[in-house]
Amino acid sequence: KNEVEQSPQNLTAQEGEFITINCSYSVGISALHWLQQHPGGGIVSLFMLSSGKKKHGRLIATINIQEKHSSLHITASHPRDSAVYICAVRSGSDKIIFGKGTRLHILP
Amino acid sequence: DARVTQTPRHKVTEMGQEVTMRCQPILGHNTVFWYRQTMMQGLELLAYFRNRAPLDDSGMPKDRFSAEMPDATLATLKIQPSEPRDSAVYFCASMTGLGQPQHFGDGTRLSIL
Repeated sequence: KNEVEQSPQNLTAQEGEFITINCSYSVGISALHWLQQHPGGGIVSLFMLSSGKKKHGRLIATINIQEKHSSLHITASHPRDSAVYICAVRSGSDKIIFGKGTRLHILP
Repeated sequence: DARVTQTPRHKVTEMGQEVTMRCQPILGHNTVFWYRQTMMQGLELLAYFRNRAPLDDSGMPKDRFSAEMPDATLATLKIQPSEPRDSAVYFCASMTGLGQPQHFGDGTRLSIL
């Protein structure tokens, strides 16, 4: 079993829909990252969380340390949000472990 | 906007050849990461440095890979000898310190024939 699991693996939705991507992990962590990788391959760091919730524009990230779970939400989704979203955790031993990613496709 | 710069963007070479990938972190960033991304494995951390000192290179095959930071403005990742299974996109990222976001370079797409 992978130490970082993301769901769903693939998600197709209509423009305007509320999107939720989930990340569960099985190790103790010091921080969790959400990354966005566009079709061209470039990677952007969206959020780094160690507790609670962060918001940036239409993106919201939450983390529940007790449940070892994080969610990334996109409100009013748009075709330009189409990308692969990757969850990564920094474990207590400073190791970085990546999820396999969620491929999101927003239809106009 | 300050950016992490990676060179070359693409590299195609024959197996057995030495490959050197370079990364210029954002000025003032003291932590530099090397990642590898393949279709099969996804993203993996190879090595990272803080203040030019290697902190973790456990993700890197030691027999053929080496990572260095000759100075604060340059990080290198070398493969010698290269093998077809090394074909991947190699990303460099830098950050100012703990608790800060990482900034990624555009990657080096490596193909070993």
